[in-house]
Amino acid sequence: IHLTQSPSSLSASVGDTITITCRASQGIRNYLAWYQQKPGKAPKLLIYAVSALQGGVPSRFSGSGSGTEFTLTINSLQPEDFATYYCQQLNSYPITFGQGTRLEIK
Amino acid sequence: EVQLVESGGGLVKPGGSLRLSCAASGFSFSSHDMTWVRQVPGQGLEWVASIDDSAYYIYYADSVKGRFTISRDNAKSSLSLEMSSLRADDTAIYYCARVSRQQGADCFDFWGQGNLVTVSS
Repeated sequence: IHLTQSPSSLSASVGDTITITCRASQGIRNYLAWYQQKPGKAPKLLIYAVSALQGGVPSRFSGSGSGTEFTLTINSLQPEDFATYYCQQLNSYPITFGQGTRLEIK
Repeated sequence: EVQLVESGGGLVKPGGSLRLSCAASGFSFSSHDMTWVRQVPGQGLEWVASIDDSAYYIYYADSVKGRFTISRDNAKSSLSLEMSSLRADDTAIYYCARVSRQQGADCFDFWGQGNLVTVSS
């Protein structure tokens, strides 16, 4: 299952609200997760099962979608949110990731 | 506190072998599936292999099938990745991660710090 994230990169300012889209080549039920990765660090789980927030993740992060189209929204961007974001499908093997969306400070 | 600590990376020649280990602590290791993910520096994430809690079900990416072997020792809370016939395109940071099922869906909820494997002559 191929995952396509858009955009591949994004420039935004602190306080902005942004949305990243992840499209799957076929239906993946609710087996969709989102990760944040900062340079030199391991990925960090943000959202699982499309919209469930992982413990300790700020509520400004939210996920939605169904079937083949999913979104990650970050409300009121904070300086620590500038990173790369990946979607991931765990509906079937091979598990796949989107190509990533790099969120940069404008 | 959940901890995953990888070891065993380094420089290896093309065609060579290497064994990565991941020591787990802070949780019931035998109750979780585990997985390896790799990342070429500066590029995206690639799933490599997964093993279920009892080592009964094992899955590999096509890119490593037949060359890599994932295994686990529940008594020692340890995960391994035996890599052979290594190629330059296996050069990457290798992460071990814990698989959890939450709300009926799997996710990789804890990750190790990563271990660099460089395949070069």
